[in-house]
Amino acid sequence: GAVVSQHPSWVICKSGTSVKIECRSLDFQATTMFWYRQFPKQSLMLMATSNEGSKATYEQGVEKDKFLINHASLTLSTLTVTSAHPEDSSFYICSARGLAGGDTDTQYFGPGTRLTVL
Amino acid sequence: GQNIDQPTEMTATEGAIVQINCTYQTSGFNGLFWYQQHAGEAPTFLSYNVLDGLEEKGRFSSFLSRSKGYSYLLLKELQMKDSASYLCAVMDSNYQLIWGAGTKLIIKP
Repeated sequence: GAVVSQHPSWVICKSGTSVKIECRSLDFQATTMFWYRQFPKQSLMLMATSNEGSKATYEQGVEKDKFLINHASLTLSTLTVTSAHPEDSSFYICSARGLAGGDTDTQYFGPGTRLTVL
Repeated sequence: GQNIDQPTEMTATEGAIVQINCTYQTSGFNGLFWYQQHAGEAPTFLSYNVLDGLEEKGRFSSFLSRSKGYSYLLLKELQMKDSASYLCAVMDSNYQLIWGAGTKLIIKP
């Protein structure tokens, strides 16, 4: 149980284009989803937290107009990197968490999406 | 402020035992998590402690002392595939995860 999928696994795009990454909880309902970014040999950096049906909460320094997050259902959240630039190249990882309390506090991670912007 | 400390890197020998420590200072506490992350991959969940004591799960065990703000992950019978980064994370009073920087574990034959 507690499987999270991400699509695509990797993507290469041209500078200035937009890229959408999907995150799905396959066997549980995710009331909260998290988007992280990780540069090589660095720690996970939380970008934003999204709750189903409401606007995402962005961490300081993360541009909400550039990184659009939609959490339309209890099993799907999307991250759209708009007008991507080479400095946006990174490993983007989503995680999902069920209802608060007990074992459902655990965040389960998707496999990640490696974005390369040329 | 909130802070999670763990060693940057550790080296151990195949077949041996290694203990990775984590100390924390957070606003509230709703549990401590350990994750394993292989290079180029996403983290995978290893353990969750919310009460004091030792939780054993196969070759891996995790210990928590809330009064000391301290946890450790114990790995027994080390295998080469255990070479990875081990991330300690604490859930604060807002149910937000505060992440440590991770401990890179190198296993030598």
